[in-house]
Amino acid sequence: GENVEQHPSTLSVQEGDSAVIKCTYSDSASNYFPWYKQELGKRPQLIIDIRSNVGEKKDQRIAVTLNKTAKHFSLHITETQPEDSAVYFCAASSTDSWGKLQFGAGTQVVVTP
Amino acid sequence: DAGVTQSPTHLIKTRGQHVTLRCSPISGHKSVSWYQQVLGQGPQFIFQYYEKEERGRGNFPDRFSARQFPNYSSELNVNALLLGDSALYLCASSLGGQRYGYTFGSGTRLTVV
Repeated sequence: GENVEQHPSTLSVQEGDSAVIKCTYSDSASNYFPWYKQELGKRPQLIIDIRSNVGEKKDQRIAVTLNKTAKHFSLHITETQPEDSAVYFCAASSTDSWGKLQFGAGTQVVVTP
Repeated sequence: DAGVTQSPTHLIKTRGQHVTLRCSPISGHKSVSWYQQVLGQGPQFIFQYYEKEERGRGNFPDRFSARQFPNYSSELNVNALLLGDSALYLCASSLGGQRYGYTFGSGTRLTVV
């Protein structure tokens, strides 16, 4: 089955700096890669996703890149703000796996003013 | 529009008991998935239902079961509770699979004592 590894487990950045989180996946059939942000005690919220027919996607300060050959994808947050502090999860799924999202272990991001 | 609603929000049960968790998807969504999130880890896939049929099952024991009703709401049942079942149980709804993305509810925090 699919296995998703996520690094780093914790990330501390100064406000205004950039943050990068990297994930690798094992199943070449995976073709959908969402990123979720989870604040303490709250539900995971989808912040951006990318499909395998696209190499990069941006939404304001957030961007995701995908390298299908190397089977890795990354989340980039620019101009970080204190409200970006949360746990970020990457996930992967394939068309034939229906609702099964395989999540990474998460990255605790702390943005210090 | 209401998002994904889950009930109850918190629950304390004793080892050996059973529990029923409930989920109402976003109006119009026909797919419901269940995930278990142990503290400090990423969500783990338990079940996925679409149009009242089970479409996927994760690596969980037979003590875990689920069903989806004609109105697309869903129940997750866990029998013979173990201490290790203590977790946040998340429900995610979708129009129908990864093409449309998944929206999570706020979860049910289950504590087994």
